[in-house]
Amino acid sequence: EAQVTQNPRYLITVTGKKLTVTCSQNMNHEYMSWYRQDPGLGLRQIYYSMNVEVTDKGDVPEGYKVSRKEKRNFPLILESPSPNQTSLYFCASSLSRGANYGYTFGSGTRLTVV
Amino acid sequence: GDSVTQMEGPVTLSEEAFLTINCTYTATGYPSLFWYVQYPGEGLQLLLKATKADDKGSNKGFEATYRKETTSFHLEKGSVQVSDSAVYFCALRGTGANNLFFGTGTRLTVIP
Repeated sequence: EAQVTQNPRYLITVTGKKLTVTCSQNMNHEYMSWYRQDPGLGLRQIYYSMNVEVTDKGDVPEGYKVSRKEKRNFPLILESPSPNQTSLYFCASSLSRGANYGYTFGSGTRLTVV
Repeated sequence: GDSVTQMEGPVTLSEEAFLTINCTYTATGYPSLFWYVQYPGEGLQLLLKATKADDKGSNKGFEATYRKETTSFHLEKGSVQVSDSAVYFCALRGTGANNLFFGTGTRLTVIP
């Protein structure tokens, strides 16, 4: 089944403790992206990647890192999480960056930083 | 810059009622337009899309027409069901864009 898999689904952590949220897709998609979803703000892009070893900042990149060493994986790293990073996170992928291509989303990771 | 403005919710309808969720956009060039649906506890799923002016996207009884003259992409369904209760997001992706711009979402609740 074609899908984007995120782990974990739920995570509670303490301020300053490094964490990684994994994302993997099995569709050979070139383009991958991370979003955070907050009430009243919709979805905002954190980082994106157009291909292996090619990443760039989205609208809200502060406090986050990403890497794209393999085409299928695009982990999101929070080196020193803070409470304002408490949010619902989604990984997404698409075949390419062209306008015609929609995204396939993962099921989400609900992160709470205390 | 590119942006999407979406009708604020929440929207509560009785089963079999007619649904309209308004969406307007601002973009340069010729974007593609999308509606995504998010069921409780799940990720976003593509509901329908339209890639050029006057295209109509449709799926599961939902429809939306890409209106360039009014920069709109309103979502409609003739007869909603309880199972349609979800949050609906309008989205835009521009030519060569690195981002999919989302509206803030509209929560729909359908009561029996």
